[in-house]
Amino acid sequence: SAVISQKPSRDICQRGTSLTIQCQVDSQVTMMFWYRQQPGQSLTLIATANQGSEATYESGFVIDKFPISRPNLTFSTLTVSNMSPEDSSIYLCSVRIWLNTGELFFGEGSRLTVL
Amino acid sequence: GENVEQHPSTLSVQEGDSAVIKCTYSDSASNYFPWYKQELGKGSQLIIDIRSNVGEKKDQRIAVTLNKTAKHFSLHITETQPEDSAVYFCAASITGNQFYFGTGTSLTVIP
Repeated sequence: SAVISQKPSRDICQRGTSLTIQCQVDSQVTMMFWYRQQPGQSLTLIATANQGSEATYESGFVIDKFPISRPNLTFSTLTVSNMSPEDSSIYLCSVRIWLNTGELFFGEGSRLTVL
Repeated sequence: GENVEQHPSTLSVQEGDSAVIKCTYSDSASNYFPWYKQELGKGSQLIIDIRSNVGEKKDQRIAVTLNKTAKHFSLHITETQPEDSAVYFCAASITGNQFYFGTGTSLTVIP
């Protein structure tokens, strides 16, 4: 398994501002992902964070709104830009250690409230 | 793409009783089915998983069954305890590819 630390664990932000969430893993991992969980909803994949290159975004998510960095194999950031109340969600970092084994591990999540 | 449905959305059981949560999936190519337990302040933790070459897997009070023909899999928790109260998510995946999650089941174990 992997120990995944996310910061901040929660935040309250004003409309129009941006917030960067950090994800640190205690070991090198093959793949890192960012998910969103809106209130009462399931987990939706935002993007795959690619080390050293641009992230791969899922349908409905764009780089201008959710810029992602992954400078190395243990760290990634997700920025939620120009926030609106609709962005209030839990944002989760997840990792897959080995591509072929399939297991996905999650951080504790960052609960974001936009006023 | 894959579509995962999960039922029920809420479930209340008396302590000591069993709880069963069911999921169906649409893509017959899916071959990996994990279950996650989500608790406040603890994030989402993998509690058990099953691969398509196995029909059932058990880990103490938790078991998962898979019916590939019917494309459904279920989580069984026996002898439930208050600490089992949480939101449970199922997921389906083709190994190495994207995970598709169910909508979650909020389980409450009543002491």
